[in-house]
Amino acid sequence: GAVVSQHPSWVICKSGTSVKIECRSLDFQATTMFWYRQFPKQSLMLMATSNEGSKATYEQGVEKDKFLINHASLTLSTLTVTSAHPEDSSFYICSASGGGDYYEQYFGPGTRLTVT
Amino acid sequence: GQNIDQPTEMTATEGAIVQINCTYQTSGFNGLFWYQQHAGEAPTFLSYNVLDGLEEKGRFSSFLSRSKGYSYLLLKELQMKDSASYLCAVIDSNYQLIWGAGTKLIIKP
Repeated sequence: GAVVSQHPSWVICKSGTSVKIECRSLDFQATTMFWYRQFPKQSLMLMATSNEGSKATYEQGVEKDKFLINHASLTLSTLTVTSAHPEDSSFYICSASGGGDYYEQYFGPGTRLTVT
Repeated sequence: GQNIDQPTEMTATEGAIVQINCTYQTSGFNGLFWYQQHAGEAPTFLSYNVLDGLEEKGRFSSFLSRSKGYSYLLLKELQMKDSASYLCAVIDSNYQLIWGAGTKLIIKP
């Protein structure tokens, strides 16, 4: 149980275009979803936290107008990277939490974004 | 501020035992996780500790001392596939997950 999927697994896009990444909890209801970014050889960096039906909470330094997050249902959250630039190239990982006593986050497999 | 410290890199030999330490200073404590992350992949859950003591799960064990702000992950009978980064993360009083930078473990034959 507790499976999280992400789509696409990898994407290459041109500078200036927008890219949407989907994160789905397949077998549980995710009250909270998290979006992370990870550059090579660095640790996870939390970008934002979203609860179903409400606006995402962005971490300091993360542009909310550039990284649009929508958590429309208890099983789906999307991250849209708008007007992508080469410096946005990174490994984007989502995780989902169903709450409860554990507060464990279940991670998706990640999406590797390359902006040319 | 909140801080989690782990060694950056460790090397161990196949078949041996290795202990990865994690110390934390956070605003409150509601549990500590250890995750394993292979290169290019997302983290996978290893363990969760909220009470003091040792939790054993197969070849992996995790220890917590809340009074010392200290945890360790113990890996026994090391296998080549254990080469990965190991991330320590603490849930603070606001139920935010604070991540350490991770320890890269290199296993040599």
